[in-house]
Amino acid sequence: GQSLEQPSEVTAVEGAIVQINCTYQTSGFYGLSWYQQHDGGAPTFLSYNALDGLEETGRFSSFLSRSDSYGYLLLQELQMKDSASYFCAVSGSNDYKLSFGAGTTVTVRA
Amino acid sequence: DVKVTQSSRYLVKRTGEKVFLECVQDMDHENMFWYRQDPGLGLRLIYFSYDVKMKEKGDIPEGYSVSREKKERFSLILESASTNQTSMYLCASSFKGLAGIWQETQYFGPGTRLLVL
Repeated sequence: GQSLEQPSEVTAVEGAIVQINCTYQTSGFYGLSWYQQHDGGAPTFLSYNALDGLEETGRFSSFLSRSDSYGYLLLQELQMKDSASYFCAVSGSNDYKLSFGAGTTVTVRA
Repeated sequence: DVKVTQSSRYLVKRTGEKVFLECVQDMDHENMFWYRQDPGLGLRLIYFSYDVKMKEKGDIPEGYSVSREKKERFSLILESASTNQTSMYLCASSFKGLAGIWQETQYFGPGTRLLVL
């Protein structure tokens, strides 16, 4: 099976940088994804890494190290609207399933 | 824009009732998924389907069944609702294909918050 670990909560001020780590244990590995979910809303896709390295999408970046079974999501220039839960998810095989972490609640303070 | 809709945002049912949750997507996606979301547990996969009339058990299928008679519609059925099935239920869909970003990007509906009394 798959297991993922990520911190439960992070608090930071506007304009700061936040890094959310995700470590995983899987029987196979295809890629690591990140999803954002605002309170009361649907999870939405943020980023995907299949190969080692950094992927940048605007203020958000995602990193993967396959050898370390580790990845992170970097939120830069934090804004109040970034207050949300962030989930890492891995696909362990080519069967379309994702296994999700428990989520990290990010609270941005003024 | 991909649109995934779910039949209800909020639902209150009694223990022992049969409950139907419906999900419709408009992007011609082959894959559809049902998750439940509970605080501190993240999203847990109940069932998924990669084609019409096909279904596969996820991590927590007990007490649930599913139906996929049409490509765009995936129904979750609670045969006899119990209080421990009180949860947020999320439906998602994705493309079928070679492993990669397109296959692994799932599009979620707004969720159904179910309360079983």
